Amino acid sequence: KAGVTQTPRYLIKTRGQQVTLSCSPISGHRSVSWYQQTPGQGLQFLFEYFSETQRNKGNFPGRFSGRQFSNSRSEMNVSTLELGDSALYLCASSTPASEQYFGPGTRLTVT
Amino acid sequence: GENVEQHPSTLSVQEGDSAVIKCTYSDSASNYFPWYKQELGKRPQLIIDIRSNVGEKKDQRIAVTLNKTAKHFSLHITETQPEDSAVYFCAALKADTDKLIFGTGTRLQVFP
Repeated sequence: KAGVTQTPRYLIKTRGQQVTLSCSPISGHRSVSWYQQTPGQGLQFLFEYFSETQRNKGNFPGRFSGRQFSNSRSEMNVSTLELGDSALYLCASSTPASEQYFGPGTRLTVT
Repeated sequence: GENVEQHPSTLSVQEGDSAVIKCTYSDSASNYFPWYKQELGKRPQLIIDIRSNVGEKKDQRIAVTLNKTAKHFSLHITETQPEDSAVYFCAALKADTDKLIFGTGTRLQVFP
C-alpha cells in the first residue's frame, strides 16, 4: 500500500496570506489527523476527521481550519498567516483508534 | 487537562548500553500509548505501542511498560546502536478519538 502523502512539501508565504495543505491517507484509512511541529512546542494536535466529520479540535485559533472529502483526503487551511505559523505540518491516517501513520509533512515558512 | 510529560529531554549513552525514556499522562481515559522515532528531516515512525489492557510489550531490542495506576509508561532500548540516535516521542490517545497527545520528545544520542 502507498503511504500517506502530503502536498506541497515546502511552502513559503508572507504574513497575511492564506495557505491550503493537502493530505492523502493510506487506502482504506478513514481517519485523518493533523499536527503542527515546531522546535519550541513539539508536536501539537490540530484536528482530526473521520468520515468527513471533525471529531476533535486542538487549541488553535479559528484561522486554522480543515475538511475531509468523501474519498478521505483532507485539507487544512490557515488564513491570515503569522510568523509564528512557520512549522512542519504533519498529517496522519489510521483506522479509528489504531496506529497512526504519518506523512512526510509540509514545511511552511512565513516571512 | 490532557497532558503528557516526557523525561529526559536529552539522553546520551554508549553503544551497547540501555536507554530508558519515561512518560506520564494525565487523562485516565487514555487507552493507547504509541512511541515514535523521528530522525532528522524525516517523519515520525511508529516503533512500538501498547494498549491499556497490557502491562508490557517487547519487540526485539525495544520494550514498553505501562503502569495504569501511576499513569506511567516507559520505553526501554537495550544494546543500543548508533542508528538508534534520533528523537523519540511518546504519546497517549484517548478512547474513541484519534487525538494523540505527544510528549515533548527525547533526543537520544548513541556514541560508538
